[in-house]
Amino acid sequence: QVQLVQSGAEVKEPGASVKVSCKASAFAGHAITWVRQAPGQGLEWTGWINTNNGDVKYGQEFQGRVTMTRDTFTSTVYMELRNLRSDDTAVYYCARAYFYSLDVWGQGTTVTVSS
Amino acid sequence: QSALTQPPSASGSPGQSVTISCTGSSSDVGAYKYVSWYQQYPGKAPKLMIYEVSKRPSGVSDRFSGSKSGNTASLTVSGLQAEDEANYYCSSYGGSHNLLLGGGTKVTVL
Repeated sequence: QVQLVQSGAEVKEPGASVKVSCKASAFAGHAITWVRQAPGQGLEWTGWINTNNGDVKYGQEFQGRVTMTRDTFTSTVYMELRNLRSDDTAVYYCARAYFYSLDVWGQGTTVTVSS
Repeated sequence: QSALTQPPSASGSPGQSVTISCTGSSSDVGAYKYVSWYQQYPGKAPKLMIYEVSKRPSGVSDRFSGSKSGNTASLTVSGLQAEDEANYYCSSYGGSHNLLLGGGTKVTVL
């Protein structure tokens, strides 16, 4: 069973950048997506990366601020979010995409943006 | 504002059934078979319960079922149990490699 293990919690100041990692036991040709959840709110899709060729698709709200990359040697995917604002405070989840359903999830990474 | 519309809450007594709707458009829910449902407990990661409208992953109880009619998908939980009290989210492929998510529905077991 594939497992996704994410990096630890981050605290950043407004305007800074954060880079969250998601290590898979194996990519196995699946895309990895990132979904975030602000405190007390619903899920919000940020984008995904094709782990085979590195192609990415970002949610419109994140265009220009987010970059997703992958390291095939370590089966790790990274999501960098720049120019952080207070409303970026959220738990960020990575998840494996299986035909547009998300069947395996990481444990989540809390990102707090505060001065 | 979420791309897919779900009722904020739903409830039922133990043993009863509850149905949650997820309304999109002819460009997403109505166009593709890629509708999924997720269950999330507070403080936990979501769990896939239904994929491709009505398929259940291995290990998911057959009390959970999915369907779709036009631009609206539905999740039905039959034989409600206390452990079903959670938040439920729908998702749909939206074309052009976009994924749409619903705002979530809190299910309460009375």
